[in-house]
Amino acid sequence: SAVISQKPSRDICQRGTSLTIQCQVDSQVTMMFWYRQQPGQSLTLIATANQGSEATYESGFVIDKFPISRPNLTFSTLTVSNMSPEDSSIYLCSVTQGNTEAFFGQGTRLTVV
Amino acid sequence: EDQVTQSPEALRLQEGESSSLNCSYTVSGLRGLFWYRQDPGKGPEFLFTLYSAGEEKEKERLKATLTKKESFLHITAPKPEDSATYLCAVQGRAGSYQLTFGKGTKLSVIP
Repeated sequence: SAVISQKPSRDICQRGTSLTIQCQVDSQVTMMFWYRQQPGQSLTLIATANQGSEATYESGFVIDKFPISRPNLTFSTLTVSNMSPEDSSIYLCSVTQGNTEAFFGQGTRLTVV
Repeated sequence: EDQVTQSPEALRLQEGESSSLNCSYTVSGLRGLFWYRQDPGKGPEFLFTLYSAGEEKEKERLKATLTKKESFLHITAPKPEDSATYLCAVQGRAGSYQLTFGKGTKLSVIP
């Protein structure tokens, strides 16, 4: 299985600022995914990050708020911009191996004050 | 739109008391149904993928089964270390890798 490292593991940020979350994978993968897990809610897909092309965003998520980079096949970043307390969540990076199996990083617990 | 409903939301068991968690789903063209375990403050840990009705998979005290409408995660003689939130997800829409998750079942196993 893929080993996924996310940084930072947690952060407390002031409203109006931005935070960039990094995701590093120990092997090359075609597709990387960013999820959000709000308290008491299920995981929700934010976007799919493909190397060499722009990220594909799900309904309700926009690039200006959640810009994503995917410079190579082992690394991606998600930025949470102009943060408000409603952005307090766990953000998770995920990759697939084979046709369907999906593995997750440890997550970034973000608190906006 | 793919949907996943897990029940119960929370389950308390005595150590050794076997039980089952339910995952009901609606999906257009099931490519896979996933079970994950999530401990507090950590990312989901992959447990199983089931691909077709009738399929079963086992890992230690856990056994996952799949029908055309639901999946069960059977826990046999649970131990306190099995306490976690168990998440179910489906992957539909041929050509897409997106997972649709349920809200999870929080399992507590009391010594």
